[in-house]
Amino acid sequence: DVKVTQSSRYLVKRTGEKVFLECVQDMDHENMFWYRQDPGLGLRLIYFSYDVKMKEKGDIPEGYSVSREKKERFSLILESASTNQTSMYLCASSLRPDTGELFFGEGSRLTVL
Amino acid sequence: QKEVEQNSGPLSVPEGAIASLNCTYSDRGSQSFFWYRQYSGKSPELIMSIYSNGDKEDGRFTAQLNKASQYVSLLIRDSQPSDSATYLCAVNMIGFKTIFGAGTRLFVKA
Repeated sequence: DVKVTQSSRYLVKRTGEKVFLECVQDMDHENMFWYRQDPGLGLRLIYFSYDVKMKEKGDIPEGYSVSREKKERFSLILESASTNQTSMYLCASSLRPDTGELFFGEGSRLTVL
Repeated sequence: QKEVEQNSGPLSVPEGAIASLNCTYSDRGSQSFFWYRQYSGKSPELIMSIYSNGDKEDGRFTAQLNKASQYVSLLIRDSQPSDSATYLCAVNMIGFKTIFGAGTRLFVKA
């Protein structure tokens, strides 16, 4: 089974702090994604990566950056956390870029005070 | 207009009935379509994928695709209380982005 592991299930941070959300997948998938999920808004794509050191902006990249130094690891960075970034963050991976067959991690619930 | 639209529900059906979930999408170039199920407090899991017009059946689930109408649906036959969840429609768009609808909440009453 594909396993996508997110390093932190729950985080509480203060406004202005730098936040790192880590995601690791063990199935040698090329493609990795970061989404945030908010009530009524569904999942919104922040960034995705289809290769090591490659990244593409999703629909809501503002205030976020990403890093993919190794194939199995995709990190989401909030340079200066703000309260409107309080959300559930979901990492996902897929074998091929032209498919939406995504495998999700358990999610990281971030609260910014 | 949202790229992927779903009725938020909740959709309530009695146990044993057919639940019908619908989704429309805006990008005519989309080639692949998916249904994910998300239980409360859990992450989404893929339950159905469909790539060509028509119906695709898998157990109690049937996905239907009509590209001309830009419409995808999911039918759940013999609905069970364990089917109660939020169902997310997802579309893989040009540029390799997978875009999700906001989801439809389904309640199956015992």
